[in-house]
Amino acid sequence: EVQLLESGGDLVQPGRSLRLSCVGSGFTFSSFEMNWVRQAPGKGLEWVAYISDTGATVHYADSVEGRFTISRDNAKNSLFLQMISLRAEDTAVYYCTRMRATWVGSDYWGQGTLVTVSS
Amino acid sequence: DIQMTQSPSSLSASIGDRVTITCRASQGINNYLAWFQQKPGRAPKSLIYAVSSLHSGVPSKFSGSGSGTDFTLTISSLQPEDFATYYCQQYYNYPPTFGQGTKVEIK
Repeated sequence: EVQLLESGGDLVQPGRSLRLSCVGSGFTFSSFEMNWVRQAPGKGLEWVAYISDTGATVHYADSVEGRFTISRDNAKNSLFLQMISLRAEDTAVYYCTRMRATWVGSDYWGQGTLVTVSS
Repeated sequence: DIQMTQSPSSLSASIGDRVTITCRASQGINNYLAWFQQKPGRAPKSLIYAVSSLHSGVPSKFSGSGSGTDFTLTISSLQPEDFATYYCQQYYNYPPTFGQGTKVEIK
């Protein structure tokens, strides 16, 4: 069974940093591209970042470019999102998603982890 | 960025009703169109990819259609477990963008 388990969400002050993790199981993690998608309270879905299966290619939303870094450790079946200079508008539930293939898009989602940026 | 516009934003329907949600892209997306279902307090669930292909385990009451810039999600016979918010997404180019969502409520 495919599972994605996020962790690392917390209450942090504006300007501080946080690192999210997502551990995949039930599939060959190193063979899949991955994404982070977030959802602010009561709002819709917003794509945040993408990483290729090897980690060689990444993409970011304009809203997080230069502040967030997506990375992965295939040996540990893990995906990460390093977030710095956090702002109130980064407050959201962050989901990791698996991409079955480029032409398929996301097929599995984790349960999400809540990041709250507030003083 | 490609803008995705869903309509309606919300709808009320009865058990057994046929429900249709539309999604319009601001430019062509080469059929890289997905649909997701989200229930309150839960993570989204992937329903459809490439306009009309169902993900594994998704019941056949869900169907997708369309081409070019106009797409549709249809639920053939609404059941209690289908009351949720539905999102379309284009993944043709970066950034992937979502529609604003359509909330399906019980009439």
